[in-house]
Amino acid sequence: KNEVEQSPQNLTAQEGEFITINCSYSVGISALHWLQQHPGGGIVSLFMLSSGKKKHGRLIATINIQEKHSSLHITASHPRDSAVYICAVIKDSNYQLIWGAGTKLIIKP
Amino acid sequence: SQTIHQWPATLVQPVGSPLSLECTVEGTSNPNLYWYRQAAGRGLQLLFYSVGIGQISSEVPQNLSASRPQDRQFILSSKKLLLSDSGFYLCAWSEGGFGYTFGSGTRLTVV
Repeated sequence: KNEVEQSPQNLTAQEGEFITINCSYSVGISALHWLQQHPGGGIVSLFMLSSGKKKHGRLIATINIQEKHSSLHITASHPRDSAVYICAVIKDSNYQLIWGAGTKLIIKP
Repeated sequence: SQTIHQWPATLVQPVGSPLSLECTVEGTSNPNLYWYRQAAGRGLQLLFYSVGIGQISSEVPQNLSASRPQDRQFILSSKKLLLSDSGFYLCAWSEGGFGYTFGSGTRLTVV
Protein backbone atom coordinates (compact mmCIF):
# COMPACT_ATOMS: atom_id res chain seq x y z
CA LYS A 1 0.00 0.00 0.00
CA ASN A 2 1.30 3.44 -0.90
CA GLU A 3 2.19 5.72 1.98
CA VAL A 4 0.30 8.59 0.32
CA GLU A 5 -3.02 7.99 -1.42
CA GLN A 6 -4.95 10.58 -3.38
CA SER A 7 -8.56 10.42 -4.45
CA PRO A 8 -10.08 10.65 -6.89
CA GLN A 9 -7.49 9.80 -9.56
CA ASN A 10 -9.51 11.70 -12.14
CA LEU A 11 -12.21 14.30 -11.70
CA THR A 12 -14.30 16.06 -14.33
CA ALA A 13 -16.66 18.83 -13.28
CA GLN A 14 -18.58 21.76 -14.71
CA GLU A 15 -17.42 25.33 -14.37
CA GLY A 16 -18.59 26.83 -11.09
CA GLU A 17 -18.68 23.58 -9.13
CA PHE A 18 -17.06 23.17 -5.73
CA ILE A 19 -14.15 20.74 -6.02
CA THR A 20 -12.63 18.55 -3.32
CA ILE A 21 -9.47 16.49 -3.72
CA ASN A 22 -8.39 14.20 -0.91
CA CYS A 23 -5.03 13.03 0.39
CA SER A 24 -4.56 10.32 3.01
CA TYR A 25 -1.23 9.20 4.39
CA SER A 26 -0.06 6.43 6.67
CA VAL A 27 3.19 7.86 8.08
CA GLY A 28 4.04 10.47 10.67
CA ILE A 29 4.62 13.81 9.01
CA SER A 30 6.03 17.21 9.83
CA ALA A 31 4.16 18.97 7.00
CA LEU A 32 2.22 18.43 3.79
CA HIS A 33 2.50 20.16 0.41
CA TRP A 34 -0.14 20.67 -2.26
CA LEU A 35 1.18 21.39 -5.77
CA GLN A 36 -0.35 22.09 -9.16
CA GLN A 37 0.97 20.85 -12.50
CA HIS A 38 -0.58 22.16 -15.71
CA PRO A 39 -0.50 19.91 -18.82
CA GLY A 40 2.92 20.23 -20.40
CA GLY A 41 3.84 22.82 -17.83
CA GLY A 42 5.86 23.14 -14.70
CA ILE A 43 5.01 22.67 -11.06
CA VAL A 44 3.64 25.38 -8.80
CA SER A 45 3.58 25.04 -5.04
CA LEU A 46 0.13 25.93 -3.71
CA PHE A 47 0.30 25.29 0.03
CA MET A 48 2.44 23.91 2.77
CA LEU A 49 0.60 23.15 5.99
CA SER A 50 1.16 21.27 9.20
CA SER A 51 -2.14 22.02 10.93
CA GLY A 52 -5.51 23.64 10.42
CA LYS A 53 -6.45 25.44 7.25
CA LYS A 54 -4.96 27.80 4.67
CA LYS A 55 -6.72 29.86 2.02
CA HIS A 56 -5.40 31.55 -1.10
CA GLY A 57 -7.96 33.05 -3.43
CA ARG A 58 -10.39 30.30 -4.43
CA LEU A 59 -8.17 27.55 -3.03
CA ILE A 60 -8.50 26.17 0.48
CA ALA A 61 -6.36 23.45 2.03
CA THR A 62 -7.14 21.68 5.28
CA ILE A 63 -5.31 19.06 7.27
CA ASN A 64 -6.36 16.78 10.13
CA ILE A 65 -3.19 15.39 11.70
CA GLN A 66 -5.08 12.91 13.92
CA GLU A 67 -7.00 11.51 10.95
CA LYS A 68 -3.90 11.66 8.67
CA HIS A 69 -5.93 13.35 6.00
CA SER A 70 -5.80 16.55 3.98
CA SER A 71 -8.20 18.08 1.48
CA LEU A 72 -7.78 20.66 -1.24
CA HIS A 73 -10.92 22.59 -2.15
CA ILE A 74 -11.53 24.83 -5.13
CA THR A 75 -14.52 27.18 -4.97
CA ALA A 76 -16.22 28.52 -8.11
CA SER A 77 -14.08 26.29 -10.32
CA HIS A 78 -12.94 27.58 -13.71
CA PRO A 79 -11.53 25.84 -16.80
CA ARG A 80 -8.12 27.36 -16.01
CA ASP A 81 -8.09 25.25 -12.83
CA SER A 82 -7.72 22.16 -15.03
CA ALA A 83 -4.45 20.57 -13.97
CA VAL A 84 -2.96 17.71 -11.99
CA TYR A 85 -3.00 18.36 -8.25
CA ILE A 86 -0.35 16.56 -6.23
CA CYS A 87 -0.10 15.98 -2.51
CA ALA A 88 3.32 15.33 -0.94
CA VAL A 89 4.14 14.69 2.72
CA ILE A 90 7.36 15.26 4.64
CA LYS A 91 8.07 12.18 6.75
CA ASP A 92 8.96 13.21 10.30
CA SER A 93 11.37 10.24 10.63
CA ASN A 94 13.83 11.36 7.94
CA TYR A 95 12.32 14.52 6.35
CA GLN A 96 12.07 12.79 2.99
CA LEU A 97 9.23 13.79 0.68
CA ILE A 98 6.68 11.15 -0.26
CA TRP A 99 4.53 11.98 -3.29
CA GLY A 100 0.97 11.10 -4.09
CA ALA A 101 0.16 9.94 -7.61
CA GLY A 102 -1.83 13.09 -8.38
CA THR A 103 -5.44 13.92 -9.21
CA LYS A 104 -6.19 14.98 -12.77
CA LEU A 105 -8.87 17.67 -12.72
CA ILE A 106 -10.77 18.80 -15.80
CA ILE A 107 -13.20 21.71 -15.53
CA LYS A 108 -15.57 21.97 -18.48
CA PRO A 109 -16.98 25.36 -19.49
CA SER B 1 14.11 35.65 0.14
CA GLN B 2 14.71 32.02 -0.71
CA THR B 3 14.38 31.04 -4.35
CA ILE B 4 15.31 28.15 -6.57
CA HIS B 5 16.14 28.39 -10.26
CA GLN B 6 15.87 25.43 -12.58
CA TRP B 7 16.47 25.50 -16.30
CA PRO B 8 15.66 24.92 -19.05
CA ALA B 9 11.87 24.56 -18.81
CA THR B 10 11.70 22.27 -21.83
CA LEU B 11 14.35 20.31 -23.70
CA VAL B 12 14.33 18.02 -26.72
CA GLN B 13 17.45 15.90 -27.10
CA PRO B 14 18.40 13.05 -29.47
CA VAL B 15 19.11 9.56 -28.18
CA GLY B 16 22.78 9.19 -27.29
CA SER B 17 23.36 12.87 -26.62
CA PRO B 18 24.59 14.18 -23.25
CA LEU B 19 22.40 15.95 -20.71
CA SER B 20 23.05 18.63 -18.14
CA LEU B 21 20.25 20.13 -16.06
CA GLU B 22 21.17 22.78 -13.54
CA CYS B 23 19.50 23.91 -10.36
CA THR B 24 20.66 26.79 -8.18
CA VAL B 25 19.36 28.03 -4.86
CA GLU B 26 19.45 31.54 -3.43
CA GLY B 27 18.86 32.87 0.04
CA THR B 28 19.98 29.87 2.05
CA SER B 29 23.16 27.98 2.85
CA ASN B 30 23.88 24.28 3.18
CA PRO B 31 20.45 23.19 1.93
CA ASN B 32 19.48 19.59 1.28
CA LEU B 33 19.04 19.32 -2.48
CA TYR B 34 16.95 16.83 -4.42
CA TRP B 35 16.30 15.68 -8.01
CA TYR B 36 12.99 13.96 -8.77
CA ARG B 37 11.66 12.46 -12.00
CA GLN B 38 8.15 11.90 -13.23
CA ALA B 39 7.83 9.44 -16.11
CA ALA B 40 4.73 9.64 -18.30
CA GLY B 41 1.63 8.66 -16.33
CA ARG B 42 3.57 8.05 -13.12
CA GLY B 43 4.13 9.87 -9.84
CA LEU B 44 7.32 11.71 -8.88
CA GLN B 45 10.24 9.56 -7.82
CA LEU B 46 13.39 10.58 -5.94
CA LEU B 47 16.53 10.18 -8.06
CA PHE B 48 19.29 11.83 -6.04
CA TYR B 49 19.73 13.88 -2.91
CA SER B 50 22.64 15.78 -1.44
CA VAL B 51 23.27 17.01 2.09
CA GLY B 52 26.49 18.88 1.22
CA ILE B 53 29.11 19.70 -1.40
CA GLY B 54 30.31 16.54 -3.14
CA GLN B 55 27.86 14.35 -1.18
CA ILE B 56 25.40 12.55 -3.45
CA SER B 57 23.05 9.70 -2.61
CA SER B 58 21.33 7.77 -5.37
CA GLU B 59 17.92 6.28 -4.80
CA VAL B 60 17.35 4.57 -8.13
CA PRO B 61 20.08 3.02 -10.33
CA GLN B 62 19.83 4.44 -13.83
CA ASN B 63 21.51 6.18 -16.70
CA LEU B 64 21.87 9.45 -14.78
CA SER B 65 24.31 11.00 -12.33
CA ALA B 66 24.26 14.06 -10.10
CA SER B 67 26.91 16.42 -8.82
CA ARG B 68 27.05 19.25 -6.31
CA PRO B 69 30.12 21.35 -7.18
CA GLN B 70 29.03 24.29 -5.01
CA ASP B 71 26.86 24.62 -1.92
CA ARG B 72 23.87 25.99 -3.83
CA GLN B 73 24.29 24.24 -7.18
CA PHE B 74 22.96 20.82 -8.08
CA ILE B 75 23.49 19.30 -11.53
CA LEU B 76 21.81 16.29 -13.13
CA SER B 77 23.75 14.70 -15.98
CA SER B 78 23.82 11.87 -18.44
CA LYS B 79 26.59 10.88 -20.84
CA LYS B 80 24.21 9.22 -23.31
CA LEU B 81 20.45 9.72 -23.14
CA LEU B 82 18.02 6.85 -23.64
CA LEU B 83 14.43 7.12 -24.82
CA SER B 84 13.38 6.01 -21.32
CA ASP B 85 15.02 9.12 -19.84
CA SER B 86 12.14 11.22 -21.17
CA GLY B 87 10.07 12.76 -18.42
CA PHE B 88 9.61 15.68 -16.09
CA TYR B 89 12.56 16.51 -13.83
CA LEU B 90 12.11 18.54 -10.67
CA CYS B 91 14.71 20.09 -8.39
CA ALA B 92 13.90 20.94 -4.77
CA TRP B 93 15.61 22.00 -1.58
CA SER B 94 14.74 21.66 2.08
CA GLU B 95 16.01 22.51 5.51
CA GLY B 96 15.04 19.53 7.61
CA GLY B 97 11.32 19.16 8.21
CA PHE B 98 10.50 22.81 7.67
CA GLY B 99 9.17 22.37 4.18
CA TYR B 100 10.45 22.13 0.65
CA THR B 101 10.93 24.74 -2.04
CA PHE B 102 10.47 23.53 -5.60
CA GLY B 103 11.86 24.53 -8.97
CA SER B 104 9.39 24.78 -11.80
CA GLY B 105 10.70 21.65 -13.49
CA THR B 106 12.20 20.62 -16.82
CA ARG B 107 10.26 18.62 -19.36
CA LEU B 108 12.74 16.43 -21.26
CA THR B 109 11.83 14.64 -24.46
CA VAL B 110 14.40 12.23 -25.88
CA VAL B 111 13.82 11.58 -29.59
